[in-house]
Amino acid sequence: DTAVSQTPKYLVTQMGNDKSIKCEQNLGHDTMYWYKQDSKKFLKIMFSYNNKELIINETVPNRFSPKSPDKAHLNLHINSLELGDSAVYFCASSQGSFPGLTTNEKLFFGSGTQLSVL
Amino acid sequence: EDQVTQSPEALRLQEGESSSLNCSYTVSGLRGLFWYRQDPGKGPEFLFTLYSAGEEKEKERLKATLTKKESFLHITAPKPEDSATYLCAVHLSGSARQLTFGSGTQLTVLP
Repeated sequence: DTAVSQTPKYLVTQMGNDKSIKCEQNLGHDTMYWYKQDSKKFLKIMFSYNNKELIINETVPNRFSPKSPDKAHLNLHINSLELGDSAVYFCASSQGSFPGLTTNEKLFFGSGTQLSVL
Repeated sequence: EDQVTQSPEALRLQEGESSSLNCSYTVSGLRGLFWYRQDPGKGPEFLFTLYSAGEEKEKERLKATLTKKESFLHITAPKPEDSATYLCAVHLSGSARQLTFGSGTQLTVLP
């Protein structure tokens, strides 16, 4: 079974549309994240959720909204898509809430969603 | 602004030709430095965590080392299956529990 799974793998849509990306982890982890990887391969954190609470909220447009129905799921909803939103979006999870204090805090990533806004 | 710089951007090696990848950071207060491997079309996969200068970690043909301002990922006698993008990330004190990633080194090992 895939530890962190996200759907869809590819998402092609028109500017102005609203879309969602779903993420599920079966690792029993407490914290889930959304990262954006741009064309230069930089990974930047967008959001993280710990026990249903938002603990990091980077300066991303409010068109992006994370939704966590339970500890195992963190979905990303995007309103009014823009050309600049085109990127690969990765979901990730970690056992604790601090990604770095111990090796238990290492991140497990999904396989990514390639979003193309036309 | 905190920066993590990886070099080279791309590296082509012959099978068996050892080399090193570099990750340098221009900030203080390092809480941890991470190495991840990313294959095309997949998410990054954790390799190592280093916490203090002088620390070393090994896994198969890979060895990661850490100094006060940089980390090296040494690849000994690489094989074609080692081809991937290697990402380094730092966790800084006061960085609100987030990792800052570099842009990676794309390694290609030719048979």
